[in-house]
Amino acid sequence: QQQVKQSPQSLIVQKGGIPIINCAYENTAFDYFPWYQQFPGKGPALLIAIRPDVSEKKEGRFTISFNKSAKQFSLHIMDSQPGDSATYFCAASIRAGNMLTFGGGTRLMVKP
Amino acid sequence: DGGITQSPKYLFRKEGQNVTLSCEQNLNHDAMYWYRQDPGQGLRLIYYSQIVNDFQKGDIAEGYSVSREKKESFPLTVTSAQKNPTAFYLCASSISARETQYFGPGTRLLVL
Repeated sequence: QQQVKQSPQSLIVQKGGIPIINCAYENTAFDYFPWYQQFPGKGPALLIAIRPDVSEKKEGRFTISFNKSAKQFSLHIMDSQPGDSATYFCAASIRAGNMLTFGGGTRLMVKP
Repeated sequence: DGGITQSPKYLFRKEGQNVTLSCEQNLNHDAMYWYRQDPGQGLRLIYYSQIVNDFQKGDIAEGYSVSREKKESFPLTVTSAQKNPTAFYLCASSISARETQYFGPGTRLLVL
C-alpha cells in the first residue's frame, strides 16, 4: 500500500525529444507528489510537485500530469537538453502519514 | 546562507570500525532523515527524526544508529554490525514530516 512504482528504469532520448516518466501508487491517501532530479554524486533536488486537486502543473519545460482515478502521475520534459541527463525520482506522501515514499528512480540520458 | 551540509564528502572505514557521518541544517526544519543509495538504485530510508530527542527506524536501520540532541544536527553512525556499508549516504530535512524534503550533497562511504 505504501509503494510507489516508477517506470522506466532508464530512458534514452535525442535532444529536443519529450521523455515521459511514469509513477503509479495504490494508497489513495497520498495527497502530495513531488519529483526530484539527481545529478551523479549530488543530492536530489526538488524539481516540481503537485497535489491531487489539479490534473496538470507546468514549471518551465517540466510538466506533471496527474490522473487521480488511475492513481498515476507522470513527468514530461519538453524540448529535452543534454543538461537534463540525470536520475529522476517521484515520491508521494500520505495525508495523515509521516514521510515521503520514493519511487525507484529513472536514469535519463539525452543525446546531443 | 541556508542549507544542509554533510561531511565529510568521502569517508573510508576499516573493518570493525564505527564511523560517524555529520549532517547539519540551518533551515529551522523539525524533521530530518538519513537515506542510503546504492549504485543505480533508489533511496532507502535508514532513520528519521520528527523532533529533537526523538527518532524512528526506517526500512534498513540494522547496523546504524543516530542521535538528535539538537534541532540542527542529526549524525549517523555506521557501526561494525553493518556488513555492507559501501554506499552514498544522503541526509535530508523538511519543515514537517510530510512536506518537501531538501537534501544535502551526500557522503560516499568506502570500505578499506
